Amino acid sequence: NAGVTQTPKFQVLKTGQSMTLQCAQDMNHEYMSWYRQDPGMGLRLIHYSVGAGITDQGEVPNGYNVSRSTTEDFPLRLLSAAPSQTSVYFCASSLGVADTQYFGPGTRLTVL
Amino acid sequence: QQPVQSPQAVILREGEDAVINCSSSKALYSVHWYRQKHGEAPIFLMILLKGGEQKGHDKISASFNEKKQQSSLYLTASQLSYSGTYFCGTEMTDKLIFGTGTRLQVFP
Repeated sequence: NAGVTQTPKFQVLKTGQSMTLQCAQDMNHEYMSWYRQDPGMGLRLIHYSVGAGITDQGEVPNGYNVSRSTTEDFPLRLLSAAPSQTSVYFCASSLGVADTQYFGPGTRLTVL
Repeated sequence: QQPVQSPQAVILREGEDAVINCSSSKALYSVHWYRQKHGEAPIFLMILLKGGEQKGHDKISASFNEKKQQSSLYLTASQLSYSGTYFCGTEMTDKLIFGTGTRLQVFP
């Protein structure tokens, strides 16, 4: 049981490049979400999904896309990276929004 | 929309107590508490549901005032392992929104 896995652990991009952050869970959780963490800002919700085929926006969705074609995977796509997207990104999963959130180890992204 | 946490930082000696507060301007369905060590992912501590049900930690307690949309986390007889950043998360219609965090440092 691997829990929540995220790849890559570190990534450096140039402004304007696109990339996908991968998130997978093997706990058969319906609820998955993406957060970004910046100093002094806490954890800010980017997008979330209550089940396969259903996604919705969080607090800071601009510049990011998500899809949920399977229960296990919830990738986050950066369309055209900007320096303001330099951050640590955490994926989380749970049975539901009111249940224990299991966080992945995070991806540290730097945009130059 | 982010809940407000106070204080922003706390410094304690081992054995001392601390209270961390979390308040929201919106109606809440539940309140979650997580602790994060530097360079690591947040770890679950506790969930408080409307109606008073709690799920979580043996050595840490919390309260949830639904009418005031506030929650408090009580850390008693603190240990060195309690050091970290504490986040409250407030559930609002399918979304879990976290506060900006309270940094707790416990010294011997």
